[in-house]
Amino acid sequence: ETGVTQTPRHLVMGMTNKKSLKCEQHLGHNAMYWYKQSAKKPLELMFVYSLEERVENNSVPSRFSPECPNSSHLFLHLHTLQPEDSALYLCASSLRTVDSYEQYFGPGTRLTVT
Amino acid sequence: EDKVVQSPLSLVVHEGDTVTLNCSYEVTNFRSLLWYKQEKKAPTFLFMLTSSGIEKKSGRLSSILDKKELFSILNITATQTGDSAVYLCAVGRYGGATNKLIFGTGTLLAVQP
Repeated sequence: ETGVTQTPRHLVMGMTNKKSLKCEQHLGHNAMYWYKQSAKKPLELMFVYSLEERVENNSVPSRFSPECPNSSHLFLHLHTLQPEDSALYLCASSLRTVDSYEQYFGPGTRLTVT
Repeated sequence: EDKVVQSPLSLVVHEGDTVTLNCSYEVTNFRSLLWYKQEKKAPTFLFMLTSSGIEKKSGRLSSILDKKELFSILNITATQTGDSAVYLCAVGRYGGATNKLIFGTGTLLAVQP
């Protein structure tokens, strides 16, 4: 499989549930990103990982917990979410975090919080 | 505060028309401007522009950057229904330990047969 993959593609969860989003990149990149895309709003950067180390955390609530076990995999653990967290969550990767702006995106996970 | 503004917000055209999408920006430590196409899935990369006045072209799509006036345009000629999508503009800025992409809200293009 090529590119950036994400699972699940759709997720409906209650506010008390715990779930995880998974991202995998097959591009040999060293940097991975989580973005949130809400309707009529720009993509919002949530987290940045470089070689499995978190290098950016954009004031994201603690109910979102990222994990990067290796440079090919990225998870977003979700717990006690709010309805306003419903959005499309996109994962992306790039060769590096520095001097490498071309990011490749996965298809996203459409999350609905009920 | 960094911002990227795209216009129009949405556009409806007929097949064969030519369209121009606009992106203006105010971003500190500018490094590059990128265009993406987003259908009902992953945004797919179109162009990255770093130098003013040099047109990048791919088939019916072309783009140019003006770093003095802080804007870019994306042109699509002889539009087809398959061009219907949201077109995202993003500006890459140097951010110390990491580079960041600052995105606009996108232009929704609908091409009617």
